[in-house]
Amino acid sequence: GAVVSQHPSWVICKSGTSVKIECRSLDFQATTMFWYRQFPKQSLMLMATSNEGSKATYEQGVEKDKFLINHASLTLSTLTVTSAHPEDSSFYICSAMGGGIETQYFGPGTRLLVL
Amino acid sequence: QQQVKQSPQSLIVQKGGISIINCAYENTAFDYFPWYQQFPGKGPALLIAIRPDVSEKKEGRFTISFNKSAKQFSLHIMDSQPGDSATYFCAASGTDSWGKLQFGAGTQVVVTP
Repeated sequence: GAVVSQHPSWVICKSGTSVKIECRSLDFQATTMFWYRQFPKQSLMLMATSNEGSKATYEQGVEKDKFLINHASLTLSTLTVTSAHPEDSSFYICSAMGGGIETQYFGPGTRLLVL
Repeated sequence: QQQVKQSPQSLIVQKGGISIINCAYENTAFDYFPWYQQFPGKGPALLIAIRPDVSEKKEGRFTISFNKSAKQFSLHIMDSQPGDSATYFCAASGTDSWGKLQFGAGTQVVVTP
């Protein structure tokens, strides 16, 4: 199957700093990428949808100024958590879609711990 | 409000047994129903998916049963193995969702040796 990578896989940062997470589709071009957040023992919650070359669309309740998303190319989307706080500690997962929904693949996730 | 309701929350099954996980939805615009398997610390991986034009789909030991009138679908894991111990999520999406998936709450499956 298609491969989606995320970098870093683990990040620890101090409260108030910003953290950037990359999501790459390695062997296909992703017209759409999605960002999810998952708290321990909970389901995946969609944060935002990003399309290459356009502004991301955020789900209700997600602060767009806090979670900056950039989909600069057909293989790369980045999520920047600005001024991170301990409550932002979570597992962040991206997915990339190359065509129809059957072509949506998930990345391995990034564990963020804010101290 | 969760658009896809999943049960049970957890499940313990003996090796060789059948694991059954159920999901229900309300949105009749949903037309794609995938199941994902997630191991701790990993991203979810697609197991099997179904469209509403069929009532059942089988891939190896995994079978989806779909009941359009009842707006329910289920995952059956036959001959469960210890390596199947994971969290399973059902999801749903519609043609008007542009690929957005609505996930169920998840079921933690433990297969005992």
